[in-house]
Amino acid sequence: DAKTTQPPSMDCAEGRAANLPCNHSTISGNEYVYWYRQIHSQGPQYIIHGLKNNETNEMASLIITEDRKSSTLILPHATLRDTAVYYCIVRAAYTGTASKLTFGTGTRLQVTL
Amino acid sequence: NAGVTQTPKFRVLKTGQSMTLLCAQDMNHEYMYWYRQDPGMGLRLIHYSVGEGTTAKGEVPDGYNVSRLKKQNFLLGLESAAPSQTSVYFCASSYSKARPTDTQYFGPGTRLTVL
Repeated sequence: DAKTTQPPSMDCAEGRAANLPCNHSTISGNEYVYWYRQIHSQGPQYIIHGLKNNETNEMASLIITEDRKSSTLILPHATLRDTAVYYCIVRAAYTGTASKLTFGTGTRLQVTL
Repeated sequence: NAGVTQTPKFRVLKTGQSMTLLCAQDMNHEYMYWYRQDPGMGLRLIHYSVGEGTTAKGEVPDGYNVSRLKKQNFLLGLESAAPSQTSVYFCASSYSKARPTDTQYFGPGTRLTVL
């Protein structure tokens, strides 16, 4: 899986958009960008994933640059409950068998009043 | 859909005791996983299963056994618990033939303390 680089921490005011960047300059053509988050003491939560087109779901939007070397996760209206560690992971969508998920150090997002 | 559920949520064991952690998923997923997470560390894969009746070792399998007798359940057993097994255990599932991607969905975790 390609290596990713994320800032260690970010702050965001409640109600504002949280934009979390991720660099993945060595991504290969068949690899997707996945985002997970882990709220303190809870299980990792899948947020969104994409290949090259921008994606949106009920939780977030994912913007992938045209060269696919970086992406941004957008939480449009952050709330205190969005305080968590956010992980950007690059991996093939399906390798043909089960494979472990490897989390890096992620970005610790703190949403404040 | 309940997604992935785990029981129990918390457990305290004495060294040498045994226990079984239960994971259940209602998404008709083929693959199931057991991870452990220690403070300040990432997830480490203990065992996984690619289908009913099959199991395989992950990166830290020693001291654990698993069984997948039913597609929806994946059990993790500790035969003789040791303090080094104090951790938070997460179960995950992924992949269905109807949706062939490996997005993993996690349970809420079991916090285990071995004294």
